[in-house]
Amino acid sequence: AQSVTQLDSHVSVSEGTPVLLRCNYSSSYSPSLFWYVQHPNKGLQLLLKYTSAATLVKGINGFEAEFKKSETSFHLTKPSAHMSDAAEYFCVVSDWEKLTFGTGTRLTIIP
Amino acid sequence: EAGVAQSPRYKIIEKRQSVAFWCNPISGHATLYWYQQILGQGPKLLIQFQNNGVVDDSQLPKDRFSAERLKGVDSTLKIQPAKLEDSAVYLCASSLDQILGTIYFGEGSWLTVV
Repeated sequence: AQSVTQLDSHVSVSEGTPVLLRCNYSSSYSPSLFWYVQHPNKGLQLLLKYTSAATLVKGINGFEAEFKKSETSFHLTKPSAHMSDAAEYFCVVSDWEKLTFGTGTRLTIIP
Repeated sequence: EAGVAQSPRYKIIEKRQSVAFWCNPISGHATLYWYQQILGQGPKLLIQFQNNGVVDDSQLPKDRFSAERLKGVDSTLKIQPAKLEDSAVYLCASSLDQILGTIYFGEGSWLTVV
């Protein structure tokens, strides 16, 4: 069985400061891992994905995530937050058959 | 490239009424998913199709929910009769295949049951 835990339900940062959204996973297999973003009243957009290649994955809009097998983590970071980053972020783990979503982290950007 | 199309975007119905949602996946995508996302929660898989066959419908409430994907392209999700707890966003998604394929989501169909 696989699972994913997003450690913070809500994160607030000031514009221009770094963003860290934390995600731990559990999987019986070598997993694929994804981060999706959901802006208000919008569908889910893929930010980045890890599929057993480079452990540091770069995504869109300046986001990146690092796969750490020893810590079973896949934290999402961005060096400098922008107002447009305010949204809900979902960490997702996938084995060969299905996706499992975390419960989401709401990111608020303070002007 | 056109994305995943869903309609209607918004629907309000009374409990015990029926509703149907339509999804057109990205062209060429063999795998189609329907997810239910209740406010404040992550999406939950309702049903997964591979072409026109069902791969996983273990979390579909089959007494009231049904889904079909005729000809392996478009899909419809029906709820009959609706309950208050069915109020949610219904997300359709598609991928080239079910193994390690990136999943692309539509903008969702927002259902309110009153």
